Amino acid sequence: GENVEQHPSTLSVQEGDSAVIKCTYSDSASNYFPWYKQELGKRPQLIIDIRSNVGEKKDQRIAVTLNKTAKHFSLHITETQPEDSAVYFCAARSNGGSYIPTFGRGTSLIVHP
Amino acid sequence: GAGVSQSPRYKVAKRGQDVALRCDPISGHVSLFWYQQALGQGPEFLTYFQNEAQLDKSGLPSDRFFAERPEGSVSTLKIQRTQQEDSAVYLCASSLGTQETQYFGPGTRLLVL
Repeated sequence: GENVEQHPSTLSVQEGDSAVIKCTYSDSASNYFPWYKQELGKRPQLIIDIRSNVGEKKDQRIAVTLNKTAKHFSLHITETQPEDSAVYFCAARSNGGSYIPTFGRGTSLIVHP
Repeated sequence: GAGVSQSPRYKVAKRGQDVALRCDPISGHVSLFWYQQALGQGPEFLTYFQNEAQLDKSGLPSDRFFAERPEGSVSTLKIQRTQQEDSAVYLCASSLGTQETQYFGPGTRLLVL
C-alpha cells in the first residue's frame, strides 16, 4: 500500500518568514495530493491540492510543488502570520484502484509574532 | 451550506462499554469515510461507504468496530466493549464521489477509562 512520510514534525518560524513542509510517497500510481490544515481541536480543512498533471499550484501565500519522478511534494507558505499556526497534513491518493487517501503524520507549524 | 457534523463531540466511556458515534454528511454527498486519529498522528482510514453500501472496511482494527449507513446519508460507527487503546478522535468525511475533495467533520473525541 501507499506510504507517506512527512517532514519536519515541528517547524517554528518568525512572523513574515517562509515555511516549507515536505512529503514523500511510495506508490507511483498516486496522482492526487491534498494538504489539510488542522487547528487545535478543530476539523482538518483542505487548503490546497495538486494533481499529477501539474507541477506547481499557487493560491495567494500558499503554493504546492510536485515532483513525480522523485515522488515528493511540498507545501510552501510565504509571509507567515500567527494565524497560520496549526498542524498541516499532506496526503496521497490514487484515482484508480485504492481511492483512499494516505495521510502523513503531520507538521506542527508555530509562527512567532 | 451546512458542513459535515458529528455527535457527540466528546465521549467518555468506561472500559467495556459500547459507544455509538454519529456522522451527518453534507447533503448529496455519496461517499462517506471514517478515520481514526490518534494524538499527534494523521487520520487513519477505517471504512468507506458509497451511498448505503459499505465498500471497504479493511481499516477497522477489530470485530468490535462496526459501521452502518442504512439510508445512504447519516452514518453510525459503533464500538463494542471499548478498550483503552480505542481512545482517539474519530473523524468522518464526505465527498460527492470517490475522486472528489473530502470534507471533514469536527470529530468525536473518545476517551476510554
